Amino acid sequence: AQSVTQLDSQVPVFEEAPVELRCNYSSSVSVYLFWYVQYPNQGLQLLLKYLSGSTLVKGINGFEAEFNKSQTSFHLRKPSVHISDTAEYFCAVSETTDSWGKLQFGAGTQVVVTP
Amino acid sequence: NAGVTQTPKFQVLKTGQSMTLQCAQDMNHEYMSWYRQDPGMGLRLIHYSVGAGITDQGEVPNGYNVSRSTTEDFPLRLLSAAPSQTSVYFCASRDRTSGVETQYFGPGTRLLVL
Repeated sequence: AQSVTQLDSQVPVFEEAPVELRCNYSSSVSVYLFWYVQYPNQGLQLLLKYLSGSTLVKGINGFEAEFNKSQTSFHLRKPSVHISDTAEYFCAVSETTDSWGKLQFGAGTQVVVTP
Repeated sequence: NAGVTQTPKFQVLKTGQSMTLQCAQDMNHEYMSWYRQDPGMGLRLIHYSVGAGITDQGEVPNGYNVSRSTTEDFPLRLLSAAPSQTSVYFCASRDRTSGVETQYFGPGTRLLVL
């Protein structure tokens, strides 16, 4: 079974500053990796995904993430945040051998952007 | 398309009461699932379905029942609510031929069990 660890429960950041959200996973098989964002009182929205190929993936709203297989990490970054990036961010994995594709989520990281 | 809809948005129950959380999608998706979201624990899979008449248990199925009589609907039933079921519940759906990343999430139902 896989597991996901998001190392920071909350990340305060000033507007226009960079932000990095850390995600580590464990799995006995290869995985697909995802980052989701949840704005207040809304459902989850996919930010970006790693399925195969280039380890640097770009998503919506200027976010990007890098898959590091040796360190089993999939950290999310944005070079300059906006107030509107205030949200909760979830890292998730799905084992490639799972035909249904069950998602295992991390606990989430709350990003608070202040002026 | 309305996407994935969930009703009610909010609900307060007393311990021991029963209720059904409704989930519907109009995208003709075969796969549907229910998650619960608790602080510090992310989303956990309760039950899922790969098509009408087929359901299976996820990570935290105890205390919940599901059925899938139509492609569109996937209700989640709490037969005897407990305070531990206080949570936010999300329904999701996706097409069978699409990858897991194409899941569409509903807006959620906030449940408080007293």
